[in-house]
Amino acid sequence: DQQVKQNSPSLSVQEGRISILNCDYTNSMFDYFLWYKKYPAEGPTFLISISSIKDKNEDGRFTVFLNKSAKHLSLHIVPSQPGDSAVYFCAASKLSGKLIFGQGTTLQVKP
Amino acid sequence: GAGVSQSPSNKVTEKGKDVELRCDPISGHTALYWYRQRLGQGLEFLIYFQGNSAPDKSGLPSDRFSAERTGESVSTLTIQRTQQEDSAVYLCASSLAWGATYNEQFFGPGTRLTVL
Repeated sequence: DQQVKQNSPSLSVQEGRISILNCDYTNSMFDYFLWYKKYPAEGPTFLISISSIKDKNEDGRFTVFLNKSAKHLSLHIVPSQPGDSAVYFCAASKLSGKLIFGQGTTLQVKP
Repeated sequence: GAGVSQSPSNKVTEKGKDVELRCDPISGHTALYWYRQRLGQGLEFLIYFQGNSAPDKSGLPSDRFSAERTGESVSTLTIQRTQQEDSAVYLCASSLAWGATYNEQFFGPGTRLTVL
């Protein structure tokens, strides 16, 4: 039972353009939603999060949008840079603290 | 060190052998998590320690998997009688006590386990 889904395994974007990564979830009990970025041979690093009581959170070039009625969240990166090329995981958390991860989306930003 | 460390970084073992993986969390972090990532898949929760509370073992795939944590420090994940399907990158993360605003978990670099 995949509670968090990232349906696009890969995304390719031109430098300077917007990258939009999508994530869907099935469990309405999730309290927090997070995005992690992962480079090869490294552990994931936290990028940005959003509480279930909000619908938008912005941090520099990164913005996360939450649509609770659709059980959908997205990460926008504007403008995209080649250094953003990595695997992006969305994750969701309930009160227990453990994270439920999606399968990941590989983003490639072309110069 | 400042971050989460894991050892070994790579482990190759034969089917049927036992392996032990180690995680050193960030000092002061009371919560510790183990995840694994099999090839081409997302991270899969295994087990969660929070202070002196009973660990949440709901993600352990079988009774061949166990983990221990001494106080708020080192944790070891043990896999007995390893199988080829256990091959994965095993990731450890730590965080401040649950209730921190973002529940931010800091990950180690992982241990890549290969079972031949």
